[in-house]
Amino acid sequence: EVQLVQSGGGLVQPGGSLRLSCAASGFTFSDYAMNWVRQAPGKGLEWVSGITGSGGSTYYADSVKGRFIISRDNSKNTLFLQLSSLRAEDTAVYYCADSSWHSWGQGTLVTVSS
Amino acid sequence: DVVLTQSPLSLPVTLGQPASISCRSSQSLVHSDGNTYLNWFHQRPGQSPRRLIYKLSKRDSGVPDRFSGSGSGTDFTLTISRVEAEDVGVYYCMQATHWPPITFGQGTRLDIK
Repeated sequence: EVQLVQSGGGLVQPGGSLRLSCAASGFTFSDYAMNWVRQAPGKGLEWVSGITGSGGSTYYADSVKGRFIISRDNSKNTLFLQLSSLRAEDTAVYYCADSSWHSWGQGTLVTVSS
Repeated sequence: DVVLTQSPLSLPVTLGQPASISCRSSQSLVHSDGNTYLNWFHQRPGQSPRRLIYKLSKRDSGVPDRFSGSGSGTDFTLTISRVEAEDVGVYYCMQATHWPPITFGQGTRLDIK
């Protein structure tokens, strides 16, 4: 059974940093590109970032480019999202999802507030 | 960037009645490989999105056959033939033909009248 289990998240001050993790199991992790999607409170879904299976190529939404970094450790079947220079508008539930969009993590809340 | 426009944004439906959600794209979603990478998701409050339909009209395993996806080019529809209580929530279309960025529709909230 495919599972994506997320960790990280929490309350952080504006300008601060945080790292999110997404541990994958039940499939050959390195064969799949992965994505991060976020959902601000009461709002819709917004794609944030994607990374190829090898990790050789990364992609970002304009809203996070230069502030967030996506990475992966295929030896540990884990996807990461490093969030920096955080703003109030980054407050959201962050989800990881595989490139088929069939499997999603449970979501983790990031709150940016002083 | 591809803009997806869903309508209606709110959809009250009587149990057992059909329901349709439209998703219109700012450009054709037909990929050069011939596929149309248009997905539909359902999200209940406090839960992660669940994919219902992929590549325009392919229904995911375990999704009831009352759900169907149709359309072509820039115009797409998710149809529920007979709405059941468990179908309440928000429905999103998403395109992965022209990316980055992946883009989603604004969402359509379905509830029971």
